[in-house]
Amino acid sequence: EMQLVESGGGLVKPGESLRLSCAAPGFTFSNAWMSWVRQAPGKGLEWVGRIKSKTDGGTTDYAAPVKGTFTISRDDSKNTLYLQMNSLKTEDTAVYYCTIDMAVAATGWFDPWGQGTLVTVSS
Amino acid sequence: SNVLTQPPSVSVAPGKTARIPCGGNNIGSKIVHWYQQRPGQAPVLVIYYDNDRPSGIPERFSGSNSENTATLTISRVEAGDEADYYCQVWDSTTDHYVFGTGTKVTVL
Repeated sequence: EMQLVESGGGLVKPGESLRLSCAAPGFTFSNAWMSWVRQAPGKGLEWVGRIKSKTDGGTTDYAAPVKGTFTISRDDSKNTLYLQMNSLKTEDTAVYYCTIDMAVAATGWFDPWGQGTLVTVSS
Repeated sequence: SNVLTQPPSVSVAPGKTARIPCGGNNIGSKIVHWYQQRPGQAPVLVIYYDNDRPSGIPERFSGSNSENTATLTISRVEAGDEADYYCQVWDSTTDHYVFGTGTKVTVL
């Protein structure tokens, strides 16, 4: 069974940085496209960004609210996905989920999801 | 930009049918996926490709999609179906993903 385990969340001040990790044991991580999705307290789901597999170019895409401040990367040798978050704002407070991005022609869905890690940005 | 609108809440009695709409401009031309999120838990995929069920999802869950509304239907609703449900599509104009606003299903 594919399993995803996020870590690295915590309390930070506005303007600070944080790096989240997502460990993905038990499957061929290097072939997977991966996405981050976040959920602010009491709010809905928001796609953050995606990284393609290296064989598909390894490129990244980001949602407008985080473009330029968040960076997604991967280390296939460690089966690990990362989310580097810089210049954090209070509105970035959310639970952050990593998920396998099941992208195919003209669509894509997310399955499975990790348990999430909470990031709180507050002074 | 692509906006997917869902009603904030739907209430249904046990054993009855719940229908959760997801409205969007010409959503019928897109492929819709659905997630269930129980309180305090991560989302779980329940429908993909408009009406396919992942392994382990009961046949009571089904989906449809036409014109400007996609619908998740839960038949013979059980107490364990009480959760938030989100629709999701891929926006070809931005190459980004979009989630619906979410619907809380309450089992009476």
